[in-house]
Amino acid sequence: SQTIHQWPATLVQPVGSPLSLECTVEGTSNPNLYWYRQAAGRGLQLLFYSVGIGQISSEVPQNLSASRPQDRQFILSSKKLLLSDSGFYLCAWSDGLAVSTDTQYFGPGTRLTVL
Amino acid sequence: AQSVAQPEDQVNVAEGNPLTVKCTYSVSGNPYLFWYVQYPNRGLQFLLKYITGDNLVKGSYGFEAEFNKSQTSFHLKKPSALVSDSALYFCAVRDSNFNKFYFGSGTKLNVKP
Repeated sequence: SQTIHQWPATLVQPVGSPLSLECTVEGTSNPNLYWYRQAAGRGLQLLFYSVGIGQISSEVPQNLSASRPQDRQFILSSKKLLLSDSGFYLCAWSDGLAVSTDTQYFGPGTRLTVL
Repeated sequence: AQSVAQPEDQVNVAEGNPLTVKCTYSVSGNPYLFWYVQYPNRGLQFLLKYITGDNLVKGSYGFEAEFNKSQTSFHLKKPSALVSDSALYFCAVRDSNFNKFYFGSGTKLNVKP
């Protein structure tokens, strides 16, 4: 069966510091990968998605970036964090094989607080 | 463009009563619709989805959803609510042409004993 991991679970960082959040998926190959941010415990904002190694689509211009160095690894980064980057970051995967079977599955999330 | 709307920020129901969480959608092409549940400080858990076929879809934890094409709705239902069903519920639609999912704003379900 497939599993998705995120780490760290929680993170407190000062303004202006760098960021690296990691997401890995097990039990599948060539998944579609997604980064979302959830602010104030409500709506999801799609940040990035990737359909393959090195292929990143950005949904919202901001000081965050994403990379996919390996098939099942997705990294969210920032060179300098802003207060507004605080939130709950969720990684998700889907098989992307067919619309009829494609379902997104989410990781446990990372709670980021920027002070 | 694809979108879903959850018109209720919060739904309150007594334990043992039926519950409904509403979702309406707007899509070009066939609708591929999903429901997820989120408990505090957790990721979203998949509940059920509608792709094609029977308009009544059954999912996890006794939940079901009714697809209504004429009303462009996909409401989540459960015959008898439990206190443990209290959580945040999201409706989503998958874009048929691109690898993206669009989520509603979420509905907080409160089930009181």
